[in-house]
Amino acid sequence: ELKVEQNPLFLSMQEGKNYTIYCNYSTTSDRLYWYRQDPGKSLESLFVLLSNGAVKQEGRLMASLDTKARLSTLHITAAVHDLSATYFCAGPLSVDMRFGAGTRLTVKP
Amino acid sequence: NAGVTQTPKFRVLKTGQSMTLLCAQDMNHEYMYWYRQDPGMGLRLIHYSVGEGTTAKGEVPDGYNVSRLKKQNFLLGLESAAPSQTSVYFCASRRPSGGLNTEAFFGQGTRLTVV
Repeated sequence: ELKVEQNPLFLSMQEGKNYTIYCNYSTTSDRLYWYRQDPGKSLESLFVLLSNGAVKQEGRLMASLDTKARLSTLHITAAVHDLSATYFCAGPLSVDMRFGAGTRLTVKP
Repeated sequence: NAGVTQTPKFRVLKTGQSMTLLCAQDMNHEYMYWYRQDPGMGLRLIHYSVGEGTTAKGEVPDGYNVSRLKKQNFLLGLESAAPSQTSVYFCASRRPSGGLNTEAFFGQGTRLTVV
């Protein structure tokens, strides 16, 4: 059965610090998705990682994919309060898209 | 630019009542999904559909039924609601895997309370 595991589940950061969220998945795949959810809101797509070694960056967020290790990372650089949200990874590439449990990120001044 | 629209946004049911949640998408996506989100449990897949007239079970299908009579609509039914079905329900749609732009688009959610 397809499993997607994220860690940590909760992350409290100081503004200006760096940190990485990890996403492991149980079957082979060539792509992985990251989503963001603000409190009380829906999910919106952040990144689609399409192949082994893929790296995508937007602002202070950078995502990467290692299909051989079945691992994706979401790196946060110099965190700011606006990044406070829950981040989900999803995949791998299959019809029944499965999500990790989410990482609730809180960035404190 | 409607995207994915869920109806209703909020609902309170009594135990044993039935209801149908409607999901409509205007992006001509083949795949559609229903998830439930509970605190600390992420999103769990209830049912999904790969095209008009097809449905399949996900992780937590018990107590739910679905139908996809038209490509743009995906209905989630609760025949006899139970308090354990209190949750936030999300519908999503996307293009089939294998191409570009295959990320999922989500509706705004339906907050269901069963008392």
